[in-house]
Amino acid sequence: DQQVKQNSPSLSVQEGRISILNCDYTNSMFDYFLWYKKYPAEGPTFLISISSIKDKNEDGRFTVFLNKSAKHLSLHIVPSQPGDSAVYFCAASAMIGNQFYFGTGTSLTVIP
Amino acid sequence: DAGVIQSPRHEVTEMGQEVTLRCKPISGHDYLFWYRQTMMRGLELLIYFNNNVPIDDSGMPEDRFSAKMPNASFSTLKIQPSEPRDSAVYFCASGLASAQETQYFGPGTRLLVL
Repeated sequence: DQQVKQNSPSLSVQEGRISILNCDYTNSMFDYFLWYKKYPAEGPTFLISISSIKDKNEDGRFTVFLNKSAKHLSLHIVPSQPGDSAVYFCAASAMIGNQFYFGTGTSLTVIP
Repeated sequence: DAGVIQSPRHEVTEMGQEVTLRCKPISGHDYLFWYRQTMMRGLELLIYFNNNVPIDDSGMPEDRFSAKMPNASFSTLKIQPSEPRDSAVYFCASGLASAQETQYFGPGTRLLVL
């Protein structure tokens, strides 16, 4: 059973607008969350992370929000650029152990 | 560092054949992970090693799958015999000793079993 879910397989956004990618998780023990970005024919690369002691982490155009009570996190990209077109995976892990659980990914297309 | 290196990048084989995927992690990384990516299930962790020792192989789908890490700089994932449903992209990733460290992924091996 998927412990990390990305219910939107794809998203299209106009250049300059905000992209919001969503992720839900079921395991309340998860306390560290990551977003990865993946271009075609390449491996995923780390984008941004957040731990459960925070509800927001910002890095340039990228901001991740965490709602622990709802077991929900989101990635905001503002403003969106064509180069942001990629598949985005969210991942979660618990303090104990190193195993990360990944979602199925959301394919973002930013339209020029 | 060249990053995580995987070979081959593409593999096409016939059902029943043995397939061996190879991975060279980033030097100094203590953890090595094998993932499989499919459209339906996304990225699934198959197995991971710490200091060359398999720690958790609960994600390995069947006995047809096996993984080894004979030394700190090399790992293999073997499928014998291969089946069409094994067609996927297989990623190797490595990471540092810290439990919360991010993982660095290789470019993946795209496997097609006919």
